[in-house]
Amino acid sequence: SQKIEQNSEALNIQEGKTATLTCNYTNYSPAYLQWYRQDPGRGPVFLLLIRENEKEKRKERLKVTFDTTLKQSLFHITASQPADSATYLCALENAGNMLTFGGGTRLMVKP
Amino acid sequence: EPEVTQTPSHQVTQMGQEVILRCVPISNHLYFYWYRQILGQKVEFLVSFYNNEISEKSEIFDDQFSVERPDGSNFTLKIRSTKLEDSAMYFCASSETTGGTYEQYFGPGTRLTVT
Repeated sequence: SQKIEQNSEALNIQEGKTATLTCNYTNYSPAYLQWYRQDPGRGPVFLLLIRENEKEKRKERLKVTFDTTLKQSLFHITASQPADSATYLCALENAGNMLTFGGGTRLMVKP
Repeated sequence: EPEVTQTPSHQVTQMGQEVILRCVPISNHLYFYWYRQILGQKVEFLVSFYNNEISEKSEIFDDQFSVERPDGSNFTLKIRSTKLEDSAMYFCASSETTGGTYEQYFGPGTRLTVT
């Protein structure tokens, strides 16, 4: 069966450090992978999209990598700030235009 | 900046009652979606809608659910006879196009509580 796995344990890091979040998937061949941020009680907010033929994508302090051989995406936040504290969701497009989300990883950045 | 809006923000209903959740997608978007998130669980796809018809639906989206675009701006999700397990946050989203080539913009959600 298809699975998207993100580390369900919270990631605690110190302000200024780089946060690295992992998304692994099985039994998918996604053409695209997306990362979203979700704050408590709010809707997901789009951050980055990476296509299967792209190895890396950057936007300001964010970087995403996509390894279709390993079936893994890594999401990096450099120079992290307390305001980056949130849950980060990985989402794969599945069967047309539906997004299948992972369970998310909660990031806590401490001052 | 344009945004997706949803009403109401919180809906409490009794089991067996019908509820209608409302959404106003971003005006130039063509694709509309409903997702739900049970407390503490993943965001789950329910249905996508394009050109006035359903384009994809999940196993969750059974005969109790229906969607409609009653006019040029609103997009609604109806649950005919609510069950306790329908209690969740319901998110509407819209995108310019499909195929994952464009991001989906999510609304703030409607928290549905079925008692």
